[in-house]
Amino acid sequence: DQQVKQNSPSLSVQEGRISILNCDYTNSMFDYFLWYKKYPAEGPTFLISISSIKDKNEDGRFTVFLNKSAKHLSLHIVPSQPGDSAVYFCAASLQGAQKLVFGQGTRLTINP
Amino acid sequence: ETGVTQTPRHLVMGMTNKKSLKCEQHLGHNAMYWYKQSAKKPLELMFVYSLEERVENNSVPSRFSPECPNSSHLFLHLHTLQPEDSALYLCASSQDIAAWNTEAFFGQGTRLTVV
Repeated sequence: DQQVKQNSPSLSVQEGRISILNCDYTNSMFDYFLWYKKYPAEGPTFLISISSIKDKNEDGRFTVFLNKSAKHLSLHIVPSQPGDSAVYFCAASLQGAQKLVFGQGTRLTINP
Repeated sequence: ETGVTQTPRHLVMGMTNKKSLKCEQHLGHNAMYWYKQSAKKPLELMFVYSLEERVENNSVPSRFSPECPNSSHLFLHLHTLQPEDSALYLCASSQDIAAWNTEAFFGQGTRLTVV
């Protein structure tokens, strides 16, 4: 049973436009959500996070939105840049638990 | 440079071989993790160590044997693996296991191929 799902394996966006990556989860007890970015031949790197008590967190070009009623979160990147081309992983954690539950990842390609 | 270093970056081994993956962090973190990433699957947590003690083993077959000799080093010993064990193995660390709401730092991974 996959508790965190990224249903789009890939996404292509024009440079300068907005990229929207989506993530759905099934466990309503998750209390913290993170996005990781992964370039080929590198490990994932932390990008942005959001606590379940918030519905939005912004950091520069990156904004994460959380809709608890829909059990859905999204990552918005605007404007998209070629260097944003990577695989993006959504992850969720439970308070007191010792692990993150990851989605399958979405490969984002930014076209010039 | 994330502060978490994994060696080797690539490994090809036969099913009867014994090999070890190494992870090293100098971030002063107290928790270390092994993850497995198979093709088109989510990252799967394998083992969790806190202050050199194993605190979680996620039903991982015994052909994978972790070792944490100190808080800076983590090993994954491999023995009689199967071809389906071919995957990217990622090491990560965090300040401590109670603080998963701070981000984990990942190594670059070891791409393992079992032939």
